[in-house]
Amino acid sequence: DQQVKQNSPSLSVQEGRISILNCDYTNSMFDYFLWYKKYPAEGPTFLISISSIKDKNEDGRFTVFLNKSAKHLSLHIVPSQPGDSAVYFCAASAGIGSQGNLIFGKGTKLSVKP
Amino acid sequence: DTGVSQDPRHKITKRGQNVTFRCDPISEHNRLYWYRQTLGQGPEFLTYFQNEAQLEKSRLLSDRFSAERPKGSFSTLEIQRTEQGDSAMYLCASSLASGSLPTYEQYFGPGTRLTVT
Repeated sequence: DQQVKQNSPSLSVQEGRISILNCDYTNSMFDYFLWYKKYPAEGPTFLISISSIKDKNEDGRFTVFLNKSAKHLSLHIVPSQPGDSAVYFCAASAGIGSQGNLIFGKGTKLSVKP
Repeated sequence: DTGVSQDPRHKITKRGQNVTFRCDPISEHNRLYWYRQTLGQGPEFLTYFQNEAQLEKSRLLSDRFSAERPKGSFSTLEIQRTEQGDSAMYLCASSLASGSLPTYEQYFGPGTRLTVT
């Protein structure tokens, strides 16, 4: 059973518009969430994170929103650029006492068209 | 500024052979993680080290897999008697933990792609 779910395998967006990538989780012990971006033939690159005590974290064009009651988080990219085309992974950690290993979703492939 | 490096980047081997991968973490990081990623999946945790101590192993890590981090710096992951099901991308990540508190952000290397024929 998947504890972190990314239900959209792919997303296509026009350059300059908003990209919204979604992630759901089932384990209420998760208290820290991260987004990674992965290009082909490269390892995942850390993008942005959020603690469960917050509901929003912003870094430039990237904003992550967390809805704990719904066990849902989303990544917003505004404005989207062709270089954002990659696979985006949502990951979660159960925090203190969990050893810190991350549990990943299956990823969403984002295509930003010029 | 060097990130996490892994060697080799690609490995093709025949079923039954042994293979060994190396990971060099970011120099000041004391935690090192190994993950495996197969097609269409996200990375799956295998094992991790704090300094030279291996502190946790996933049930995915069968007896044919062994990992070491002898001096608390680089790490090796060995797979004995490889099987076709071992074909995957093996990713290494590192992070800096202070005491018992983890730093959640992990920084990944480029991975080693293993193909077992």
